[in-house]
Amino acid sequence: GQNIDQPTEMTATEGAIVQINCTYQTSGFNGLFWYQQHAGEAPTFLSYNVLDGLEEKGRFSSFLSRSKGYSYLLLKELQMKDSASYLCAVLDSNYQLIWGAGTKLIIKP
Amino acid sequence: IAGITQAPTSQILAAGRRMTLRCTQDMRHNAMYWYRQDLGLGLRLIHYSNTAGTTGKGEVPDGYSVSRANTDDFPLTLASAVPSQTSVYFCASSDSGLTDTQYFGPGTRLTVL
Repeated sequence: GQNIDQPTEMTATEGAIVQINCTYQTSGFNGLFWYQQHAGEAPTFLSYNVLDGLEEKGRFSSFLSRSKGYSYLLLKELQMKDSASYLCAVLDSNYQLIWGAGTKLIIKP
Repeated sequence: IAGITQAPTSQILAAGRRMTLRCTQDMRHNAMYWYRQDLGLGLRLIHYSNTAGTTGKGEVPDGYSVSRANTDDFPLTLASAVPSQTSVYFCASSDSGLTDTQYFGPGTRLTVL
């Protein structure tokens, strides 16, 4: 079967750096997405990786290793507004998005 | 520009009743999707449409139906609601439906009693 694994919950301190990991086992791979979802709101797009390596976008970076079935989202200079759930999703060989359950990130002052 | 709108925002429904969740987008996106989101589970695809006039089944289609008469609208119908359909429902759209980013509506919180 297809599987996306992420930690359920993480806690970090304002101003610090946090890395949220995602491992996947899917039938084929056509890219990996990260979305942010604040409580009670819709998911919003953060990043898309299809090639190995690091993609940097401001305070957020996303890394992909296709051979290891692994990605991480790196958040720097954490702000209180970064408290949210972070969803990892993989496009499989049929171009269907397979979603992880999400990682709830709690930021403490 | 509104993006994607969904209606209603929330609804309490008696089991056995018929219900249609509405979704409208103004971005002229080709592809549209319906997901349900339950606590502790990832988003699960119910139905999708790659272009107006076509629809397809996702991971959890049973008990739901959709139509795509035009580019903008993608309603989801529960023919006879059951308590296990209590969930938050998100509609999404993307330009091509393949590797393009999906944009989500605000969601409909549905409770079936």
